[in-house]
Parts: sequence; structure tokens; C-alpha cells
Amino acid sequence: DSGVTQTPKHLITATGQRVTLRCSPRSGDLSVYWYQQSLDQGLQFLIQYYNGEERAKGNILERFSAQQFPDLHSELNLSSLELGDSALYFCASSVSSAGPYEQYFGPGTRLTVT
Amino acid sequence: GENVEQHPSTLSVQEGDSAVIKCTYSDSASNYFPWYKQELGKGPQLIIDIRSNVGEKKDQRIAVTLNKTAKHFSLHITETQPEDSAVYFCAASITQGGGADGLTFGKGTHLIIQP
Repeated sequence: DSGVTQTPKHLITATGQRVTLRCSPRSGDLSVYWYQQSLDQGLQFLIQYYNGEERAKGNILERFSAQQFPDLHSELNLSSLELGDSALYFCASSVSSAGPYEQYFGPGTRLTVT
Repeated sequence: GENVEQHPSTLSVQEGDSAVIKCTYSDSASNYFPWYKQELGKGPQLIIDIRSNVGEKKDQRIAVTLNKTAKHFSLHITETQPEDSAVYFCAASITQGGGADGLTFGKGTHLIIQP
């Protein structure tokens, strides 16, 4: 158990809908990273927050957005969902502010878009 | 951007033998190289990492080596055990003093330990 929690574990929704995925980092970690894992694209970095502020962006679509709240939990919002958005979504947390060191991953949310 | 190539995609070894997984990266500015193990239905688990100012790091049965000149790094697992069976991912990242970036992952190696 990494100490990172994600909810829900599974999510099934229809095309065009909007969903919110939630992540609670390990105690003491200020950085949260979001990743998408799919069979064709592999593991891809989406976005990073540090202590409430956006720090880095990866291959995140404009239909996706994220935020980190004062209690440090983070939410990833996916809108206008398409079939191709079906994937595993992981968040990872790190104590480091100086770089992406020692990221610990949560168990993931499996999103199925039908 | 950074590109990470990982080989082989599948590796089958006899229990007790050693396993080696290799990765190459494209951006010479990359300076952090972690390895993750992912078991079915679980999130990636950090097993070892190395920074570019170090050539080798060891933790019990696992070790990572880094060749900055050739831009490649490798994971070595000795005395393999059935519980080592999983998918292993290498990753690379560029850190820029005070800044941060996400990890760029390889496509993964499915390690199978044959009893």
C-alpha cells in the first residue's frame, strides 16, 4: 500500500459525459501528478500540482482539467468524454518540491466510456 | 520532448537466474531515472531510482546502472523469484532546479519467472 488513495476504483459512463476522479496524496506529500495508462499510449504524464498550484503540464487534452485543494487532495475532471478516453488514470504523490523524485502511485481509477 | 525506449517487451527467465531490462533515452538533459514494477490490477510501485550524478545503485537483489554518454540505463535483478513476475517500466525526467516535470515512461517489459 503506497498511502495514495483514489476514488472511485471503477467508473462507467457514456460518451459526452463529464466525470471527476479524486486523489488523496500520502501524508506530508505536497506534489500530486496525474497519469493516464492505456494499451496504445502506455503511461503518459498529464499534469502536476504542488501545494495547490499547477507546476507542469504534459499531454493533457483541453477537455481535461485538474485542481488541488487546500487539504492537498486533487481532482481530475474529464469532460465531453470520448471512447478513446477509456483508460486507467493514476495519481502519484511526492514530497519533493525540487523535481519529480520518488513518486508513489495510487491504485488507479479504471474509466470505461461506452 | 523526451523519448524512452525499453527492451525487451517480454522476458522469460528461470527462477534463480538473473534478468536485465534496458532503456535508452533521447534527451541528454534528463537527470532522473526511476524503475517501477506493476502487478496486475495495481498501480506502479517504485522499486529503485538513480540520478545522473551516480553511475550505479544497488538495493538487495536489484541494481540500476546508468551510462550518460550512451544515454542508456538498465535494471538488473539477481536470483529471480516467482514474486518478481510483473511488468517493469523505466522512466526518465528532466529536473530544472526548483522546477518539476512529469515522468516519461518506456512501454514496459513483461517479466515472467519460470519455476
